[in-house]
Amino acid sequence: ETGVTQSPTHLIKTRGQQVTLRCSSQSGHNTVSWYQQALGQGPQFIFQYYREEENGRGNFPPRFSGLQFPNYSSELNVNALELDDSALYLCASSLQRGALDTQYFGPGTRLTVL
Amino acid sequence: DAKTTQPTSMDCAEGRAANLPCNHSTISGNEYVYWYRQIHSQGPQYIIHGLKNNETNEMASLIITEDRKSSTLILPHATLRDTAVYYCIVPNAGGTSYGKLTFGQGTILTVHP
Repeated sequence: ETGVTQSPTHLIKTRGQQVTLRCSSQSGHNTVSWYQQALGQGPQFIFQYYREEENGRGNFPPRFSGLQFPNYSSELNVNALELDDSALYLCASSLQRGALDTQYFGPGTRLTVL
Repeated sequence: DAKTTQPTSMDCAEGRAANLPCNHSTISGNEYVYWYRQIHSQGPQYIIHGLKNNETNEMASLIITEDRKSSTLILPHATLRDTAVYYCIVPNAGGTSYGKLTFGQGTILTVHP
């Protein structure tokens, strides 16, 4: 059984640029959630996708957007990067939508915005 | 999500039991208690969850008080690899936060040799 994988591991961008982060779900999981974790803080929920549609969203601006593909892999896109977007971005997959199903997290992508 | 309160940090000697408390006094009758942990520079890892009965798995035990206002995660024989931030989470069953896990600051558990 393959776990959740994310790419790239690390990324450096400059303010104003756009970035795409990728996530492959655990086998058999149709739900993907994305979280942002600033240094020294707990992860903050960005949004969840279930069967290619957004299922719930946290307090993040529209420049944070996502996609889920038919094979349930997912992308997180961030436009007009700001310095405060520097963080660890975590992807989690689960068998069912909602927060009540166990979420399995990937290792994260460390984004640095200069 | 129901608010949870955890101590900022705890220490434990290797081989001893680690007991991590969590208060969730506003929990509703149909809300579960989940525990995740995050080892440094890794993604969070699911540990255990429960509704009202005590639960045990290969990683830990979860003791929930009868009034469900607090719980304790027990690592029966802590090892150095259990050093991590432990998060107690009570996710909403639905509503606008559907799908959302709210991570607080958690408890930093340090296991000493």
